[in-house]
Amino acid sequence: NAGVTQTPKFQVLKTGQSMTLQCAQDMNHEYMSWYRQDPGMGLRLIHYSVGAGITDQGEVPNGYNVSRSTTEDFPLRLLLAAPSQTSVYFCASSYSPGTGHYTFGSGTRLTVV
Amino acid sequence: RKEVEQDPGPFNVPEGATVAFNCTYSNSASQSFFWYRQDCRKEPKLLMSVYSSGNEDGRFTAQLNRASQYISLLIRDSKLSDSATYLCVVPWRNQGGKLIFGQGTELSVKP
Repeated sequence: NAGVTQTPKFQVLKTGQSMTLQCAQDMNHEYMSWYRQDPGMGLRLIHYSVGAGITDQGEVPNGYNVSRSTTEDFPLRLLLAAPSQTSVYFCASSYSPGTGHYTFGSGTRLTVV
Repeated sequence: RKEVEQDPGPFNVPEGATVAFNCTYSNSASQSFFWYRQDCRKEPKLLMSVYSSGNEDGRFTAQLNRASQYISLLIRDSKLSDSATYLCVVPWRNQGGKLIFGQGTELSVKP
C-alpha cells in the first residue's frame, strides 16, 4: 500500500546510545519532514527536506541529524540519546505543502532510559 | 505568545450535540490554515483546509476570523466516531513546506 513507512515502531535506548529512525515513502513526494510529539506540546518540527540533497532545520533540531540522498528516504539520526528525547516521532511527506496535505507515518515510540 | 494555541479540553459532549473549538495564531501574515484529526496513539490526518473565510464539509465547518486571528471548527450532530484530538495547523512563517501544530483539543462524544 502506498504511504509513509516508519521503522521501528517501538524502541528503547540507553542514554548516550545512537540510532537511526527510518522513514520511506513511495508516493514520489518531494517534501518530507520529521516531527516529535510530547504530551501537551503538540507536534514540533525537527527537520524537513524540500527534495533530495536538501535539508533544513525546524523548531527543535538539536540532537538530531538528517540526510536526504533519495526522494524516497528521509532517516532521522539521534547522535547521543538523552531522556529528553523520549517521545513519539512522526515522519510526514507531501506532494504540495501549500495544500497542508501531509501523509504521516504511523510513528515511532522512543524511550530513552 | 505561542504561534498556535488551542484549548486542550477535554470536551465531553453527548451524541448529537454541536461543539466548537477555537484556535488562535500569532502570525498575522498567515494565509492558509488546516485542521487535522488524531485518534488515540495514531498518526494525524488532514480533516479540512481553510483558505479564505471558511470551509464546510458535511457536519464540519471551519471558519476564519483574520481580524482576531483565530480559526474555529464546528462539529454538528456529533457521532461517537468523532471522538479524537483535533489539531489546528498553520504554515510556519507562512512557508507552506513547514507546518506548526497546536497542542490539540480532545473531544469525547458519549452515548
